[in-house]
Amino acid sequence: DTEVTQTPKHLVMGMTNKKSLKCEQHMGHRAMYWYKQKAKKPPELMFVYSYEKLSINESVPSRFSPECPNSSLLNLHLHALQPEDSALYLCASSGQPDGYGYTFGSGTRLTVV
Amino acid sequence: SQQGEEDPQALSIQEGENATMNCSYKTSINNLQWYRQNSGRGLVHLILIRSNEREKHSGRLRVTLDTSKKSSSLLITASRAADTASYFCATDLGAGNMLTFGGGTRLMVKP
Repeated sequence: DTEVTQTPKHLVMGMTNKKSLKCEQHMGHRAMYWYKQKAKKPPELMFVYSYEKLSINESVPSRFSPECPNSSLLNLHLHALQPEDSALYLCASSGQPDGYGYTFGSGTRLTVV
Repeated sequence: SQQGEEDPQALSIQEGENATMNCSYKTSINNLQWYRQNSGRGLVHLILIRSNEREKHSGRLRVTLDTSKKSSSLLITASRAADTASYFCATDLGAGNMLTFGGGTRLMVKP
């Protein structure tokens, strides 16, 4: 299995809702990432998990809460989002040591209404 | 923050022509990678070039890296309509295996 699977593919949520994005990989990769991408912009790093521990948080607002339950799963919990948080959320994983390309999921298209 | 800048931002060519995209970056890197993205979906890893390498080939792709100029180029030869996509360079500084993406080039290949 050489894929990163993200669910759901599309999500519409209200500003008072709580929802979660899920990411799964079975390649044995020990680094996993959340990126946010706005239209016609490059992906921007949100969080990095290395060996199931949060190693980088790029000053992301607390309404985004990551979780890594095990080495294959990565979640992003969403609460009280704003319309400007609407974007494509991409999950990726990479092998260790450094110098491997990332494998990306196909993303979750999030719309906040 | 954005580490790399790409040019051109958009490129339109005819099928069979070559496409060249350039990427410049600001700080020393461990490696530089190129990715492709179709229609705002997931990114696909194309090629990785390490800081001690100058050129790499993969099929119709050729990547060069000039660390003295902090720049890289991606050449796609004999382009096809299916190559239509956005192409991003990404730099790995080697600290925490974290990638930072450039602004991207939108390539359109007309049949």
